[in-house]
Amino acid sequence: GAVVSQHPSRVICKSGTSVKIECRSLDFQATTMFWYRQFPKQSLMLMATSNEGSKATYEQGVEKDKFLINHASLTLSTLTVTSAHPEDSSFYICSARDHSGSLYEQYFGPGTRLTVT
Amino acid sequence: AQTVTQSQPEMSVQEAETVTLSCTYDTSESDYYLFWYKQPPSRQMILVIRQEAYKQQNATENRFSVNFQKAAKSFSLKISDSQLGDAAMYFCAYRTTSNKLVFGAGTILRVKS
Repeated sequence: GAVVSQHPSRVICKSGTSVKIECRSLDFQATTMFWYRQFPKQSLMLMATSNEGSKATYEQGVEKDKFLINHASLTLSTLTVTSAHPEDSSFYICSARDHSGSLYEQYFGPGTRLTVT
Repeated sequence: AQTVTQSQPEMSVQEAETVTLSCTYDTSESDYYLFWYKQPPSRQMILVIRQEAYKQQNATENRFSVNFQKAAKSFSLKISDSQLGDAAMYFCAYRTTSNKLVFGAGTILRVKS
């Protein structure tokens, strides 16, 4: 089956610094990737849609200058949390859409736990 | 906008028994996809089952089946012969025409031995 990886799996950073999270589709090409945020025992909240070669589309209420998304290739999207603060601590999950099949299935990465101290 | 509602925050089932998780949704679209995802403690999202709205037949995957009632906008998941490994958070999700997934709040399923 299709595999999506995320790196790092866990990261701790100091308040005010920036941190980059990578999302890779390992065995398929993904022109579209999605970034979600999940707080403990809560649902996934879509933050933005990442499109290869173009600007990301952000959901209402998500600060695009704080959560920078770059989708530079068909297998890689990155999420950079800029000037991180403790309230940015969360679990970030990406998914990648496989365009090769008719169902346009989304495959999820294992997530990245961000802790801002 | 589409919404997905899971009214059961937690459910418990005895091992080998059957449990049904509820999900309702709201949409004005006629053609769409519905999903059930499982999120175990590892937090890796796993697709359990998928239903295309234009198909009247309920989807089944081994011990997992759905009861899809399009007119009622209801999409419940039945787990038969529950196993300890089924314990997880289950999310119902709707896929929009722009291919975004809208998730419900989730149901924590506990399996008792």
